[in-house]
Amino acid sequence: QKEVEQDPGPLSVPEGAIVSLNCTYSNSAFQYFMWYRQYSRKGPELLMYTYSSGNKEDGRFTAQVDKSSKYISLFIRDSQPSDSATYLCAMTSSGGNKLVFGAGTILRVKS
Amino acid sequence: GAVVSQHPSWVICKSGTSVKIECRSLDFQATTMFWYRQFPKQSLMLMATSNEGSKATYEQGVEKDKFLINHASLTLSTLTVTSAHPEDSSFYICSARDYSGLGGETQYFGPGTRLLVL
Repeated sequence: QKEVEQDPGPLSVPEGAIVSLNCTYSNSAFQYFMWYRQYSRKGPELLMYTYSSGNKEDGRFTAQVDKSSKYISLFIRDSQPSDSATYLCAMTSSGGNKLVFGAGTILRVKS
Repeated sequence: GAVVSQHPSWVICKSGTSVKIECRSLDFQATTMFWYRQFPKQSLMLMATSNEGSKATYEQGVEKDKFLINHASLTLSTLTVTSAHPEDSSFYICSARDYSGLGGETQYFGPGTRLLVL
């Protein structure tokens, strides 16, 4: 079993839809959670960074962490074609340990 | 803030030559940088962790004599692919940890370097 599970998709939605992306993890030591967006042939771009359980909102993006269920989500409101990319969840425990990535979900927003 | 650059963005070389890739943190000091490799339609694979002023820590299965890493300053790390062969063709991405920003556990990534070995 992988430490971090993420459905690779692809996930195809119409423009304006609400998108829900999810990851589950097995290591209870993970304390820091990140979402990255990666366009084709580009490096990952940090979208959201969360530490505690609960919700964090930034513009059209909301990150949700449920440590009791070992489940994190990223919601994208009013999705745009420019949101079409691969979304990677990543997490780590404290103490400067390396990031553990999910497989990445391919998102396609159709106009 | 928290910008990481890489140079070159792409490189084509002949088999047997060595290629150096630079990774720079432009607006913050990075005591720790990371080097990843990414194959098409796959997630990132950590190759090594680079700490300023000390030897890099390589992940299992990564040849340290093949992939030389130097982190000589707080803003620059280099990856040298020695005696490159076609199987080394890949997308190489660096990242840097910014302790002064959001939190010490997050990483900012460079734009990547695409290497093609003929």
